[in-house]
Amino acid sequence: EPEVTQTPSHQVTQMGQEVILRCVPISNHLYFYWYRQILGQKVEFLVSFYNNEISEKSEIFDDQFSVERPDGSNFTLKIRSTKLEDSAMYFCATTNTPSNEQFFGPGTRLTVL
Amino acid sequence: KNEVEQSPQNLTAQEGEFITINCSYSVGISALHWLQQHPGGGIVSLFMLSSGKKKHGRLIATINIQEKHSSLHITASHPRDSAVYICSNNSADKLIFGTGTRLQVFP
Repeated sequence: EPEVTQTPSHQVTQMGQEVILRCVPISNHLYFYWYRQILGQKVEFLVSFYNNEISEKSEIFDDQFSVERPDGSNFTLKIRSTKLEDSAMYFCATTNTPSNEQFFGPGTRLTVL
Repeated sequence: KNEVEQSPQNLTAQEGEFITINCSYSVGISALHWLQQHPGGGIVSLFMLSSGKKKHGRLIATINIQEKHSSLHITASHPRDSAVYICSNNSADKLIFGTGTRLQVFP
């Protein structure tokens, strides 16, 4: 069964460093999403991406964040200068159309020290 | 404001019990999702529904669009059902999540 994959599974970084989280969508999916979940809190929407551009973004998704699909397969989330409060689980989700269910990757746990 | 509320926040049950988790949302939606999050953190989609009722094995999801309310039922609950169950609504091309219901089923 096709699945969404994410790498790395766990990333530890120093405050101020840049991190790139990677997602490989299911092959025929064209709509991509990043969500995050701070430990003990609910899942929050960050950004949606379609046709090589951002469709919608939340207040959390400020200038420190960016997304791209650099090679037609990977979908990446970059955090330019990490802060302690960026520590969270980051989930990628993809779908073939927004009216269908989204398929979630296993998540990347980001720890900022 | 687009909000999703779930109840209860925590639920414990004995194996075999019938479980109900409730979800209310404030804004009209195109679809409502029920998701399961395992202790390891992974999220699995259980149901997506925009009207009526859906059943998959021991799980049943219902939605009342007029009342902006949905329920997830688990029949004959089992310890392996222990997880966090999350309701989310699909609004304007993104999911808005509830806080989740932590279910523990004891043998």
